[in-house]
Amino acid sequence: EIVMTQSPATLSVSPGERATLSCRASQSVRSNLAWYRQKPGQAPRLLIYGATTRATGIPARFSGSGSGTEFTLTISSLQSEDFAVYYCQQYDDWPPYTFGQGTKLEIK
Amino acid sequence: EVQLEESGGGLVQPGGSLRLSCTASGFIFSSYSMNWVRQAPGKGLEWVSYISDSSSSSTIIYYADSVKGRFTISRDKAKNSLYLQMDSLRAEDTAVYYCARGEDSYGSGTYRSWFDPWGQGTLVTVSS
Repeated sequence: EIVMTQSPATLSVSPGERATLSCRASQSVRSNLAWYRQKPGQAPRLLIYGATTRATGIPARFSGSGSGTEFTLTISSLQSEDFAVYYCQQYDDWPPYTFGQGTKLEIK
Repeated sequence: EVQLEESGGGLVQPGGSLRLSCTASGFIFSSYSMNWVRQAPGKGLEWVSYISDSSSSSTIIYYADSVKGRFTISRDKAKNSLYLQMDSLRAEDTAVYYCARGEDSYGSGTYRSWFDPWGQGTLVTVSS
């Protein structure tokens, strides 16, 4: 089973600033990585797939990078709705599909 | 609009059973693989089960080790519905259960999926 590790667990950033979230896989997942945002009390929503491709309707301030075992989600200018929990998911070697433990992005 | 709506959650005693449903609309349900993903209170996401689309004669099903032998996934093309039969429930099965459509990519002889969209979730509580 591939273990996904996200860092940091909590990130405090001011609105309008840039946020950088990391995700590491225990073995290569090539570019088979997705990112999700989960607002409080809501279901997760897909942001990025294929490590770098924005999902439909996702604004350009979200960008994904990386391949192999190291991945990054960057939010260029934080809006109020971006303060949430973010999860990465690998879909290269499955079953099982595995998620990181999440990064909580909070207002500084 | 593509939508998924879960139902069937509730309070059940340890050892009991529950059947979750997920009704799909706004897309050709039979053309997509489907998944169940759960989230224990205050915890992260855990994939539970996968069922392939209805395009081929054979159905492919997978389960997480934590539910194998206790949970059964199924789908009904005519009703645009996905199901999760949960038996021998344990306290550690307490979670919000989400259904999620699989967006399949094919490569190296296999399909792989990210999940989009997700339903709003249904809460299952296993407690005496």
